[in-house]
Amino acid sequence: AQSVTQLDSQVPVFEEAPVELRCNYSSSVSVYLFWYVQYPNQGLQLLLKYLSGSTLVKGINGFEAEFNKSQTSFHLRKPSVHISDTAEYFCAVSYLYGGATNKLIFGTGTLLAVQP
Amino acid sequence: DGGITQSPKYLFRKEGQNVTLSCEQNLNHDAMYWYRQDPGQGLRLIYYSQIVNDFQKGDIAEGYSVSREKKESFPLTVTSAQKNPTAFYLCASGRDSGPGELFFGEGSRLTVL
Repeated sequence: AQSVTQLDSQVPVFEEAPVELRCNYSSSVSVYLFWYVQYPNQGLQLLLKYLSGSTLVKGINGFEAEFNKSQTSFHLRKPSVHISDTAEYFCAVSYLYGGATNKLIFGTGTLLAVQP
Repeated sequence: DGGITQSPKYLFRKEGQNVTLSCEQNLNHDAMYWYRQDPGQGLRLIYYSQIVNDFQKGDIAEGYSVSREKKESFPLTVTSAQKNPTAFYLCASGRDSGPGELFFGEGSRLTVL
């Protein structure tokens, strides 16, 4: 069965430090990959997505992610975080079957806690 | 502006009562989804619909029901058969054909007293 793993449930980091949130997926077929952010008591907003092409994807708010097919990973990075980046981050994948896409499968989320 | 509207944002229910959560979108998307979110469990798919008058069960459909009479609307009913209904419910929409990017509403928090 397809799955998405976010190994870190919580990542504490000091303001202006770099951060990496890890995401791995299981797959034997082509995939599309997404990172979403959720602020408290709100819905999810798309941060960035990988559909094809360059493996380094840039998103909003200074975030970027790198698609690594051999390691089936899509880690999210930011070189310098702000207090306002405190939120929960979800990795998600949709699988491409014979030209059609399946529904999104989400990881369990990583809470990024930025401390002053 | 285009988007997804969920209502109510907060809802309290007594045990044994059914409750319906509203979801409306004006993005002209064919597909709509309901997810349930619990702490530490991420998002779990309840039901989804790829076209009007048709819908499919997701991973945790027991105790829930939906309808899709209009393209814009996809209400979710939490029935008394749902054993642990207290949760945050998220509605989303997307193009049926495409890479699976979804657009989310602000969510509805249901608390059973």
